[in-house]
Amino acid sequence: GAGVSQSPRYKVTKRGQDVALRCDPISGHVSLYWYRQALGQGPEFLTYFNYEAQQDKSGLPNDRFSAERPEGSISTLTIQRTEQRDSAMYRCASSPQTGARGEQYFGPGTRLTVT
Amino acid sequence: EDQVTQSPEALRLQEGESSSLNCSYTVSGLRGLFWYRQDPGKGPEFLFTLYSAGEEKEKERLKATLTKKESFLHITAPKPEDSATYLCAVPMAGNNRKLIWGLGTSLAVNP
Repeated sequence: GAGVSQSPRYKVTKRGQDVALRCDPISGHVSLYWYRQALGQGPEFLTYFNYEAQQDKSGLPNDRFSAERPEGSISTLTIQRTEQRDSAMYRCASSPQTGARGEQYFGPGTRLTVT
Repeated sequence: EDQVTQSPEALRLQEGESSSLNCSYTVSGLRGLFWYRQDPGKGPEFLFTLYSAGEEKEKERLKATLTKKESFLHITAPKPEDSATYLCAVPMAGNNRKLIWGLGTSLAVNP
């Protein structure tokens, strides 16, 4: 079946612009995670949804970052007034189980570059 | 402090040369340990979940084992296609919504 998809795969934006990153999880997966991953590092937790409810957003760096999953499926990570330090690979993962006890299936990521 | 440490950082093997990767953790009340494989430019790919000391899981040339303090990923007679970064992760104590990730072991298998 189809895996986790993310769009766009690459995004170049100018400093100060808003960007929206989309994640389409595996059908039926209840949990959805957003991560940021630097080269040579493990994924850095940003936020987590259980169905449509945002259960944990403690990893979001500041209030310019927000995420939603209004119908418990597709999720959008929005970064307002982007800064160069926001440049990174943003990854989405979904899981068939709630919490971190279940295996996570990752999408290919969105490479964000802020110029 | 909850922590996951992987060693070595990098490992280069000849095809057929078996070895082991280590993941040590300091998390109270372990609720699972996950191994992932990550190829360049791709997201991590789930390999195994281990839940209790003494548990073992196998997949092709890979076998993962778990003790109370660490996990090993044994690679038997590796092939060049096994070249990847191998990551391990554990749920954070007191917050089972988050995984603590190691930095990974970058494995290169030469033909």
